[in-house]
Amino acid sequence: DTGVSQDPRHKITKRGQNVTFRCDPISEHNRLYWYRQTLGQGPEFLTYFQNEAQLEKSRLLSDRFSAERPKGSFSTLEIQRTEQGDSAMYLCASRGHERIHEQFFGPGTRLTVL
Amino acid sequence: TQLLEQSPQFLSIQEGENLTVYCNSSSVFSSLQWYRQEPGEGPVLLVTVVTGGEVKKLKRLTFQFGDARKDSSLHITAAQPGDTGLYLCAGNNYGQNFVFGPGTRLSVLP
Repeated sequence: DTGVSQDPRHKITKRGQNVTFRCDPISEHNRLYWYRQTLGQGPEFLTYFQNEAQLEKSRLLSDRFSAERPKGSFSTLEIQRTEQGDSAMYLCASRGHERIHEQFFGPGTRLTVL
Repeated sequence: TQLLEQSPQFLSIQEGENLTVYCNSSSVFSSLQWYRQEPGEGPVLLVTVVTGGEVKKLKRLTFQFGDARKDSSLHITAAQPGDTGLYLCAGNNYGQNFVFGPGTRLSVLP
């Protein structure tokens, strides 16, 4: 399978705990995006990387959120001191060099904060 | 801030009917994408439209990009239960970040 993969698919945590999600993009895709999606809404942009450089961060990305892509391949999104309002689907997408208008999504990580 | 609106928000139809859903913005985009998303899964890309006035067909689905590149429509002919899902449009400017609409939730009843 050469699509975007995300791990874990589901995460249940207690308020105040830290969580980390991983995204493996399509091989050789240089751009990687993180989104958050709540029930009944479209995905909301959080941040994106070009190779290992984080180029843009949304105002939605509070100080408790941090994302990395250390070697320009997989990426991690960490949420510290989780709050109930962080409960959502966290989606990762990647985009290649040439077809710049197209991004491909992974299956998402569903986070539930109790 | 670029925003996309989609209408209708919800649509429930019988198998075999035709339908059109809309994606509108006050902003110009260099391209627009349509996705379908099923519960618990990530969005799946259906089509990208780039040129104003462009029409693309994907089997029973017809996508159109407005002349001014501010809006788009998706028309489904003879809808089937397998078309059920959340239809999302997303706007993009020359490969920068993507802005999504809230989606149209379609239910096709057998």
